[in-house]
Amino acid sequence: AQSVSQHNHHVILSEAASLELGCNYSYGGTVNLFWYVQYPGQHLQLLLKYFSGDPLVKGIKGFEAEFIKSKFSFNLRKPSVQWSDTAEYFCAVTSYDKVIFGPGTSLSVIP
Amino acid sequence: DSGVTQTPKHLITATGQRVTLRCSPRSGDLSVYWYQQSLDQGLQFLIQYYNGEERAKGNILERFSAQQFPDLHSELNLSSLELGDSALYFCASSVVMGWNEQFFGPGTRLTVL
Repeated sequence: AQSVSQHNHHVILSEAASLELGCNYSYGGTVNLFWYVQYPGQHLQLLLKYFSGDPLVKGIKGFEAEFIKSKFSFNLRKPSVQWSDTAEYFCAVTSYDKVIFGPGTSLSVIP
Repeated sequence: DSGVTQTPKHLITATGQRVTLRCSPRSGDLSVYWYQQSLDQGLQFLIQYYNGEERAKGNILERFSAQQFPDLHSELNLSSLELGDSALYFCASSVVMGWNEQFFGPGTRLTVL
């Protein structure tokens, strides 16, 4: 069965620290990959997506993610986090007829 | 503001009851997706409609049903409610049939007592 895992349940960082959130999926076919973010009290919104082409994709607010097909991974990175990045981050994987979200990683950035 | 609206924001009801959640997609979006978010199950895809037709089905219980109307708004009907149905229900919309960027609504928080 398809599944999506996120390595960390809760991450706490100081401002200016680098961020990497792990996402792994299990599915043998063609997938599209997404990272969504949910800021406190707000709706989910798309950070970035990968469909094909360059495996390093850039998103909004300085985020990027790298698709490593051999590792079934799509890790999210940001070189320097800000307090405003405090949020819940969800990795999502879609195939033809379904989407599976990871359990989410809660990021707290300390000023 | 994503442009997707959901009503009501909060709903409190009793076990065994039936409720209807409403979603209005962004202007021009033909796809509507429904999700359930709970602490133990995370964010689960329930069902997708595209231009009035059911297109994809996820982990939707038989007690739940949905439809999309000609004006493209959608309703999620939950019946014979159980305590475990307490969750946040999100609607999302997209212009495409498949899986591209989805725009999420603010959600309806359902509490079953």
